[in-house]
Amino acid sequence: DAKTTQPPSMDCAEGRAANLPCNHSTISGNEYVYWYRQIHSQGPQYIIHGLKNNETNEMASLIITEDRKSSTLILPHATLRDTAVYYCIVRVAGAGGTSYGKLTFGQGTILTVHP
Amino acid sequence: ETGVTQSPTHLIKTRGQQVTLRCSSQSGHNTVSWYQQALGQGPQFIFQYYREEENGRGNFPPRFSGLQFPNYSSELNVNALELDDSALYLCASSSVASPLHFGNGTRLTVT
Repeated sequence: DAKTTQPPSMDCAEGRAANLPCNHSTISGNEYVYWYRQIHSQGPQYIIHGLKNNETNEMASLIITEDRKSSTLILPHATLRDTAVYYCIVRVAGAGGTSYGKLTFGQGTILTVHP
Repeated sequence: ETGVTQSPTHLIKTRGQQVTLRCSSQSGHNTVSWYQQALGQGPQFIFQYYREEENGRGNFPPRFSGLQFPNYSSELNVNALELDDSALYLCASSSVASPLHFGNGTRLTVT
């Protein structure tokens, strides 16, 4: 799986958009970008994933650059409950394989949302 | 839809002992994977189980072993506990083309 680079920490004001960047310059054509977050003392929570098109769900939006070497997770209206460690992960998606259940986590970005 | 549940939530063991941690998969998921998360670090992949067999393993010694049952629930067993085994142990379940969904983990302390 390709390595990702994220800033160690970011701050955001409550109610504003939080934009979390991720670099994955060695991503392969069949690798997806996944985002998870981990709130203190809980397990990682799936947020969103995408291959090359921008994606949006009820939690967030994912913007992937045309060359797929970087992406941005957008939380449109951050709340205090969005304070967490955010992990950007790239991996092959699909059925089977010995690495199907494997995610390679880096250090992530600690997002702190301020009142 | 029931999520991934793990038990116990906290556990204290003595060095040299053995421990068993349990995980119930999310409904409809047939693959289970286990992770170890040391304090201040990201989770590290231990292994995964599919069709009741281990079919992928990270850089962990053989004293870390597991089982998957016909109902897709799973156990993680750790023998000869060491102080460095103190960590949060996370279970995740998934199925074909679905993202991994994690439980809230078991906090193991080895003294």
